[in-house]
Amino acid sequence: QQPVQSPQAVILREGEDAVINCSSSKALYSVHWYRQKHGEAPVFLMILLKGGEQKGHDKISASFNEKKQQSSLYLTASQLSYSGTYFCGTGFQKLVFGTGTRLLVSP
Amino acid sequence: DVKVTQSSRYLVKRTGEKVFLECVQDMDHENMFWYRQDPGLGLRLIYFSYDVKMKEKGDIPEGYSVSREKKERFSLILESASTNQTSMYLCASSPSTGADTEAFFGQGTRLTVV
Repeated sequence: QQPVQSPQAVILREGEDAVINCSSSKALYSVHWYRQKHGEAPVFLMILLKGGEQKGHDKISASFNEKKQQSSLYLTASQLSYSGTYFCGTGFQKLVFGTGTRLLVSP
Repeated sequence: DVKVTQSSRYLVKRTGEKVFLECVQDMDHENMFWYRQDPGLGLRLIYFSYDVKMKEKGDIPEGYSVSREKKERFSLILESASTNQTSMYLCASSPSTGADTEAFFGQGTRLTVV
């Protein structure tokens, strides 16, 4: 079962903030976040683990609520380079990705 | 740098053809994955493999099979291509079965079945 992401799409002006949510119907051991720019491969941003450990990006933050089986990605003071499609991923061995959120940052 | 290489960026095949999509990784990763990407549906897992000759079905395995004879290579096979298999196919690999390891993706193969 794919995690569900919201919103499906968001448009920002440079410098604005955005939150992308990821919700799973299954228990989460960890949550991955990736960004895919148009025509390119998805690229790893960060992993959040049970217990609060976080590995990855130093300019983007995220939260992981194990009880609610949800994660949120926080993009603050957005830059043009943040444009792309964001995916959350879950699964201990079988890595399953969400439906994606398209983010467009305009000047 | 970790490299995951897919054999073709673009492929056009006829309905009914047998199609092979190849993926090679150069970092000795145990796990390899095949996804298809369609607008509005995100990345959907077709098959994955956690070891040589081992494979597990993902969420949408129908119409596909896979082969992993060597650790570095994971092939996706469309036994008889159909137009509804027109899509972007992404291969990925990761270094262990742990929950805290990132996946590395190939550039993707855009397959069109006519």
